[in-house]
Amino acid sequence: KNQVEQSPQSLIILEGKNCTLQCNYTVSPFSNLRWYKQDTGRGPVSLTIMTFSENTKSNGRYTATLDADTKQSSLHITASQLSDSASYICVVRAPGAGNMLTFGGGTRLMVKP
Amino acid sequence: GAGVSQSPSNKVTEKGKDVELRCDPISGHTALYWYRQSLGQGLEFLIYFQGNSAPDKSGLPSDRFSAERTGGSVSTLTIQRTQQEDSAVYLCASSLVLQGHYGYTFGSGTRLTVV
Repeated sequence: KNQVEQSPQSLIILEGKNCTLQCNYTVSPFSNLRWYKQDTGRGPVSLTIMTFSENTKSNGRYTATLDADTKQSSLHITASQLSDSASYICVVRAPGAGNMLTFGGGTRLMVKP
Repeated sequence: GAGVSQSPSNKVTEKGKDVELRCDPISGHTALYWYRQSLGQGLEFLIYFQGNSAPDKSGLPSDRFSAERTGGSVSTLTIQRTQQEDSAVYLCASSLVLQGHYGYTFGSGTRLTVV
């Protein structure tokens, strides 16, 4: 069964600090991996998308890494801001059309002043 | 429109009543997905529409759930005889078929509370 596991489930950091969120998956075959940010009361918004051949992808202060051999990804947030407080969801896509997405349970990040 | 629009944003209903949730996808997006997100849980796939093809209903949790997509655009998710365990945020997403490989656009969701 395809699974996506995220850790930690929740995290509290001080404003300005860095943090790293982890995602392990068993989805195979694999098409791409996405990280989404979901603010409270909002739908998920895409941060990064990486295909099998990509090892790293940056979007401002967000940097995602992918190791397709170990089936692990991380999302690193640099110089955190209060607005980074949200849930971060790792989503892995299998090849093909239709419902090919497997969602992780998310990491709830809280940035405190 | 510029994004995926869902309505209502919040819905409180009594147990046993029927509810309808609406999703307006991005114009031209042929693929439409419904997901459910329970408190503290990940997204759960419900149903997928692609053009004129028969929808993939494999994620619907019971026969109380149904969805339609009229004219390949607006979709309605109907929950009959609502139960308290139906309380969740219902998210809709759309994509171009090819763009589905690269990104989906989600609506803000409908928060359903069954009391």
